[in-house]
Amino acid sequence: QKEVEQNSGPLSVPEGAIASLNCTYSDRGSQSFFWYRQYSGKSPELIMFIYSNGDKEDGRFTAQLNKASQYVSLLIRDSQPSDSATYLCAVVDDSGYSTLTFGKGTMLLVSP
Amino acid sequence: EAQVTQNPRYLITVTGKKLTVTCSQNMNHEYMSWYRQDPGLGLRQIYYSMNVEVTDKGDVPEGYKVSRKEKRNFPLILESPSPNQTSLYFCATKERARTEAFFGQGTRLTVV
Repeated sequence: QKEVEQNSGPLSVPEGAIASLNCTYSDRGSQSFFWYRQYSGKSPELIMFIYSNGDKEDGRFTAQLNKASQYVSLLIRDSQPSDSATYLCAVVDDSGYSTLTFGKGTMLLVSP
Repeated sequence: EAQVTQNPRYLITVTGKKLTVTCSQNMNHEYMSWYRQDPGLGLRQIYYSMNVEVTDKGDVPEGYKVSRKEKRNFPLILESPSPNQTSLYFCATKERARTEAFFGQGTRLTVV
């Protein structure tokens, strides 16, 4: 059973701080890694994707991947109250369909 | 505008009454999936499809059916709904095997 693990939180940070969200995965054959943001009752929306080891930056967001440690993280700089949501880590395996497996999500609360 | 459209958005039904949740996409994606999301359990894949007439079970297929007669549509069928199928359902599409998934708006189903 492929697993994607995240701390459920909530992770509380003050406005303007850096929020650090972490994810580990069990399948060494995993190929692609995604971070989604989900507001309560809404559909997940893609924030970042990363395929190679290292860092990838997009605006206030940085995704970090370490395949040797089977670890992927998301940093949110200058956190805003509007960033308060649940963040889902998702991993694609290397099977024919390449199933997307989700972690249960980390709730982030950014206080003004 | 690229869209994944689910209908209905909200549905309350009674045990045993057959229902269909529709999903339609205009992005010409080959890959489509259905997920259910429950508190504490995260997003779990019900069924997926790699192409027209090609479908397979995900992690929680019991009590559900799907069909893929056209590329754009992927309906989810509950032949005899039960209260444990009360959940938030999402349809998702992918362009290629290892790319990100795009989600529909969700369908909140309550079975009484």
